Amino acid sequence: GQSLEQPSEVTAVEGAIVQINCTYQTSGFYGLSWYQQHDGGAPTFLSYNALDGLEETGRFSSFLSRSDSYGYLLLQELQMKDSASYFCAVTVGNDYKLSFGAGTTVTVRA
Amino acid sequence: NAGVTQTPKFRILKIGQSMTLQCAQDMNHNYMYWYRQDPGMGLKLIYYSVGAGITDKGEVPNGYNVSRSTTEDFPLRLELAAPSQTSVYFCASSLQEIYGYTFGSGTRLTVV
Repeated sequence: GQSLEQPSEVTAVEGAIVQINCTYQTSGFYGLSWYQQHDGGAPTFLSYNALDGLEETGRFSSFLSRSDSYGYLLLQELQMKDSASYFCAVTVGNDYKLSFGAGTTVTVRA
Repeated sequence: NAGVTQTPKFRILKIGQSMTLQCAQDMNHNYMYWYRQDPGMGLKLIYYSVGAGITDKGEVPNGYNVSRSTTEDFPLRLELAAPSQTSVYFCASSLQEIYGYTFGSGTRLTVV
C-alpha cells in the first residue's frame, strides 16, 4: 500500500510564505500532485511533479525529491482566499490512480 | 463546458436502501474515478475505470458497484446502505496525469 504524511494544520498571516511538506512511502511511484479544497467544495488540481525539482505556477510552487520520497508545496504572498485544505497525492501505476494524504488545513489571518 | 457533473448533491438514505450516484463528464476523458471523503480526512478510492467497458476496484470497494458503458458516464451503485457509507462522494475524470483530475461537486450522503 501507500502512506503519505503531511502536517495537519498550518496558520500564517497575509503576505507570508507557507511550506507544506509531504513524505510518502509507496511502490511504483509515478508522480506527486497537490490539490486545494475549500470548505464544502471539491478538490481542485494545483500541480504535478514527476521529476526532481521545482515547478512554479504563479504564487504556488511544488518541489519533488524522488530519492528522498519527499515533496513540498510553497504558497507565497498568502491571501485570505488561500485558507483551505491542501492534499498531496501520489500516482501509483500507469492508470493514473491517486492515493491522497490526510490533508493540511491552512488558515490565513489578517 | 460543464466538466464533471454529479447528481444528486444531497441524499438521505435509510439503512438497507439502495441508490445510484450519477456522474457524467463531457471532456472525453478515458479515466474516471470514484472517491469518498469522510470528515477531516483525505480521499479514498472506491472504483475506477480506464475506459468504456473497463472497471476495477480501488482501496475501499466493499458495498459498492460501478459500470462504464459509455465514455461519458460512470455511475456508482450502493446496495444495502449502511451507516458506515455516510460520506461525501466525489467523481473525477482525467485525460493525462500532468493535467490532474477534474472533480465533480460531490454528493453528500447520509445513511440513517
